[in-house]
Amino acid sequence: SQQGEEDPQALSIQEGENATMNCSYKTSINNLQWYRQNSGRGLVHLILIRSNEREKHSGRLRVTLDTSKKSSSLLITASRAADTASYFCATVGHGSGNTGKLIFGQGTTLQVKP
Amino acid sequence: GAVVSQHPSWVICKSGTSVKIECRSLDFQATTMFWYRQFPKQSLMLMATSNEGSKATYEQGVEKDKFLINHASLTLSTLTVTSAHPEDSSFYICSAHGLAGVSEQYFGPGTRLTVT
Repeated sequence: SQQGEEDPQALSIQEGENATMNCSYKTSINNLQWYRQNSGRGLVHLILIRSNEREKHSGRLRVTLDTSKKSSSLLITASRAADTASYFCATVGHGSGNTGKLIFGQGTTLQVKP
Repeated sequence: GAVVSQHPSWVICKSGTSVKIECRSLDFQATTMFWYRQFPKQSLMLMATSNEGSKATYEQGVEKDKFLINHASLTLSTLTVTSAHPEDSSFYICSAHGLAGVSEQYFGPGTRLTVT
């Protein structure tokens, strides 16, 4: 079953602008991860943020996590046409018996126009 | 980084036949592999967790007799779609989670299955 919602479902921006995507989840988590998927391809891991972290950076990516609101955001700065893809958040739950399986959000489709 | 391959990348089969999809970890040993299904313009839905040397754990609503999973070695898991029907047409993606203490998963490129 899906963990939660992503917002917006689709986003279209001009090259150079920033893109912000939000993700909400329902259960307590061990960590939250963001993945990117180009059309018809597998997923590429972008960044992982642990439940005790609030913000993390990687290149042009900035991820925040608010466990009190059960939400996360992914910011892509200075977007490029090559950033056009679908972006998914995924969570790993807490608890014994947790196999590390990922539960994915609905995804945001980002289009960056040159 | 770790590489996961899938074979075939696409397959077309007739209704009623079975199709096997392979997922291999190329440069690391994967104690756990996951199988996902993705319909067009939708997110990934976890189908099952495959553990080397033991039976797979299926998610609720996934028929274990229809989607046979075998994880006979630390580098190979297979998904067999038995008696395929057109509604089984989908994008099947595997991922591997082999490094102790590492939460990141490594995804295969996916297999596009079309059942006619």
